[in-house]
Amino acid sequence: ILNVEQSPQSLHVQEGDSTNFTCSFPSSNFYALHWYRWETAKSPEALFVMTLNGDEKKKGRISATLNTKEGYSYLYIKGSQPEDSATYLCASSGGYQKVTFGIGTKLQVIP
Amino acid sequence: SQTIHQWPATLVQPVGSPLSLECTVEGTSNPNLYWYRQAAGRGLQLLFYSVGIGQISSEVPQNLSASRPQDRQFILSSKKLLLSDSGFYLCAWSVWGGDTEAFFGQGTRLTVV
Repeated sequence: ILNVEQSPQSLHVQEGDSTNFTCSFPSSNFYALHWYRWETAKSPEALFVMTLNGDEKKKGRISATLNTKEGYSYLYIKGSQPEDSATYLCASSGGYQKVTFGIGTKLQVIP
Repeated sequence: SQTIHQWPATLVQPVGSPLSLECTVEGTSNPNLYWYRQAAGRGLQLLFYSVGIGQISSEVPQNLSASRPQDRQFILSSKKLLLSDSGFYLCAWSVWGGDTEAFFGQGTRLTVV
């Protein structure tokens, strides 16, 4: 994998459902993996930065895992709420300064 | 606390005209600074990054240039805009390198007509 790929590109879930999406990134020269949340008309905001294989991070109902050997990360949202609606960006740092973003997963939570 | 200012929020410019987008950071010293662009239907593309005054690294050959005349000021410029320069431009800063979170400005929607 040469680029950061995210799937699905868009997702609709009912309020209360749990959901997850995937980020795939180059496993060679891996440095760090970022997840950002980007709400409409706002700036992207960092959710997690992970560096170690097997890392798991949690913030409220949102959590993320990291597998650097196979080059993927999952973002989980438990009990989705309408305010979770946003685009979730994944970014991989393959070097000290270079951060490559995926196209994002646009999540719409239906009340 | 740290804040990042980016302006203008929207801009409509004719083809061939110059461009200057400015970004300033407050509340921190010697930040890493970044310019990103999101073209329609695509992810955020890193255009330039800077680790210090006068130090600019370009990621993608293009019609744009960047400058960092002061520690907390980052400017994106073009001498002659192309239609393909249209997009959403985001400035960001981070404390350190690729393993620290980036903080983004509000963005500039540029439309070249």
